[in-house]
Amino acid sequence: AQTVTQSQPEMSVQEAETVTLSCTYDTSESDYYLFWYKQPPSRQMILVIRQEAYKQQNATENRFSVNFQKAAKSFSLKISDSQLGDAAMYFCAYRSAETSGSRLTFGEGTQLTVNP
Amino acid sequence: EPEVTQTPSHQVTQMGQEVILRCVPISNHLYFYWYRQILGQKVEFLVSFYNNEISEKSEIFDDQFSVERPDGSNFTLKIRSTKLEDSAMYFCASSPSEQYFGPGTRLTVT
Repeated sequence: AQTVTQSQPEMSVQEAETVTLSCTYDTSESDYYLFWYKQPPSRQMILVIRQEAYKQQNATENRFSVNFQKAAKSFSLKISDSQLGDAAMYFCAYRSAETSGSRLTFGEGTQLTVNP
Repeated sequence: EPEVTQTPSHQVTQMGQEVILRCVPISNHLYFYWYRQILGQKVEFLVSFYNNEISEKSEIFDDQFSVERPDGSNFTLKIRSTKLEDSAMYFCASSPSEQYFGPGTRLTVT
C-alpha cells in the first residue's frame, strides 16, 4: 500500500517570502501522479498543482512549483512571494496511474501561516 | 467553470438515524468518489464509483455505508444507523483524471 508523509505539521512564512513544504511517499509502482491540495478555513479542497511521475520536469503553476525527486520519493512544494491568501492547510496526495479512477492517498497535512 | 456541488452543507442528526448526503459531479466526468475528514485529521478515501458500480472501497466503507447514482446527475452516500464517530466532513469528488472536490458536507452526529 502507498503511504504519504508530511513531517511538518506547521510552517510559517513572512508575506512576500518563499516557503517550502515537504512531502515524502512510499510506493512500489513506477507510474503515478502526485498532487498538492490547499484547504483554507472553508475546508474546500482546492487542487494547487500536479506532477506526473514519468515527467522529469518539475511542474509549475504561477507562484507554486514543485521539486520532484523520484529516486528519493520526495515531492516538495515551493510557494514564492507568499500572500496572505496562501494561509491554509496543504495536503500532499498520491494516485496510482496503473488503474483508472484510483483513489487519492493523502498525507497528514501542513498548516501554513502567512505573517504580514 | 463547472464544479462539484454537495448538499446539504451541514447536517445534524441523532445517533442511530440514517442520513443521505448528496453530490452532483461535473457532468462529463466518469469517476466519482467519497472521502471523509474527521476534524483535525487527514482526508481518507471511502469509495469510488464507475459505470454504475463500486470500483474500489476502503476498510472504512463497511455495511453501514452505501452509494448510489439514482439518476443521471446525482451521486449519494447513505449512512445507516449513524454513530458518534461518523461526525466528519464528507467530500464528494469527480474526475476524468484530476479529482475535483465539492465543498463538503459537515455531518454532526449527536
